[in-house]
Amino acid sequence: GDSVTQMEGPVTLSEEAFLTINCTYTATGYPSLFWYVQYPGEGLQLLLKATKADDKGSNKGFEATYRKETTSFHLEKGSVQVSDSAVYFCALKPAGNKLTFGGGTRVLVKP
Amino acid sequence: DTEVTQTPKHLVMGMTNKKSLKCEQHMGHRAMYWYKQKAKKPPELMFVYSYEKLSINESVPSRFSPECPNSSLLNLHLHALQPEDSALYLCASSQDGGQGRLSNTIYFGEGSWLTVV
Repeated sequence: GDSVTQMEGPVTLSEEAFLTINCTYTATGYPSLFWYVQYPGEGLQLLLKATKADDKGSNKGFEATYRKETTSFHLEKGSVQVSDSAVYFCALKPAGNKLTFGGGTRVLVKP
Repeated sequence: DTEVTQTPKHLVMGMTNKKSLKCEQHMGHRAMYWYKQKAKKPPELMFVYSYEKLSINESVPSRFSPECPNSSLLNLHLHALQPEDSALYLCASSQDGGQGRLSNTIYFGEGSWLTVV
């Protein structure tokens, strides 16, 4: 079945540091890939998405590229802020099928 | 912009109470979802409605009863819950991909924090 594996946290960084969260997946067919972010005490927000191989999703300084050859969708940000402290979920969804989440990665950015 | 609104934001209920969670979206989406999220875990799918009909029930106990009065509204009726049902309940919506196929992008609300005492 479909599955998503992402690095376990917490990831602790200083402000302005470079952030990478690894995400790899297993799926049949060609799923769409997503990153969702959950700030403390809030629901999930769609951060970015990519629907086919080599697509790059980007939003709020975050980027992720759909790499079919390595079945990966790593999230990156060049310079994090304290306000980026949150839990980040990688997810995949084949057409017509259910959304499958990774376990989530907690990121803590210190001033 | 996308918006899925949920009420109430916080709910405390006893094990013998009957309460409801409500969800509304005005994006014209025809698929709506309920998810349950426990602390430090990803959301787990509970129910999916497509065109106001229940299309997926992930073997959820009958003490949770979903209802979709129209294409914009989704309710979750709660009765005789247990303390272990305490969690964040997330509503979500997506466009329907046609022929009953769910569109790929799902948008979530802020959630309702439920505590069962």
